[in-house]
Amino acid sequence: EDQVTQSPEALRLQEGESSSLNCSYTVSGLRGLFWYRQDPGKGPEFLFTLYSAGEEKEKERLKATLTKKESFLHITAPKPEDSATYLCAVLLGGGTSYGKLTFGQGTILTVHP
Amino acid sequence: GAVVSQHPSRVICKSGTSVKIECRSLDFQATTMFWYRQFPKKSLMLMATSNEGSKATYEQGVEKDKFLINHASLTLSTLTVTSAHPEDSSFYICSAGLGKFYGYTFGSGTRLTVV
Repeated sequence: EDQVTQSPEALRLQEGESSSLNCSYTVSGLRGLFWYRQDPGKGPEFLFTLYSAGEEKEKERLKATLTKKESFLHITAPKPEDSATYLCAVLLGGGTSYGKLTFGQGTILTVHP
Repeated sequence: GAVVSQHPSRVICKSGTSVKIECRSLDFQATTMFWYRQFPKKSLMLMATSNEGSKATYEQGVEKDKFLINHASLTLSTLTVTSAHPEDSSFYICSAGLGKFYGYTFGSGTRLTVV
């Protein structure tokens, strides 16, 4: 059964304290892995797409990496405005142009000033 | 660019009535849109995939007759919750694909409360 697991469920950091969020997956036919940020009462905001093991993407204080079994979202020197729920999702194989995303349960990040 | 507009953002309805949620792609054509449901502090659960001009594909366990999806044009998909009950109260989110390198963009969500 395809499964996406994120850890930790919640993470509290002090401003400037770097850390990493984990997304492990056991799926067949992975077409891509996505990271999203979700603020309370809002829809997910796209951050990164990773397609192959070894790939890395960066955006401001965020860096996403991918291996054959998991992905990490590294947050360097976080600020309070980085507080949000971070979701990872895997895009599974299929014949259609747009496959289905399967989401992990998310990591709630709180950054204290 | 690549904005998906979802309306309404919040709706309260009485039990037994129907509610329609709209999802519009503002600056691109969305041949495929997705509808998700999210419970408090839980992740997104895919309900159905809608393709322009054809019937929606529902995920296992989702009631087709309760959650009616229409994708009549390349810029509009609607979700109608029929005969709503309190257990249908949830956060509903639509999404559209943008192509391989741009991910999937999401609407801002609709908070449905059935009283």
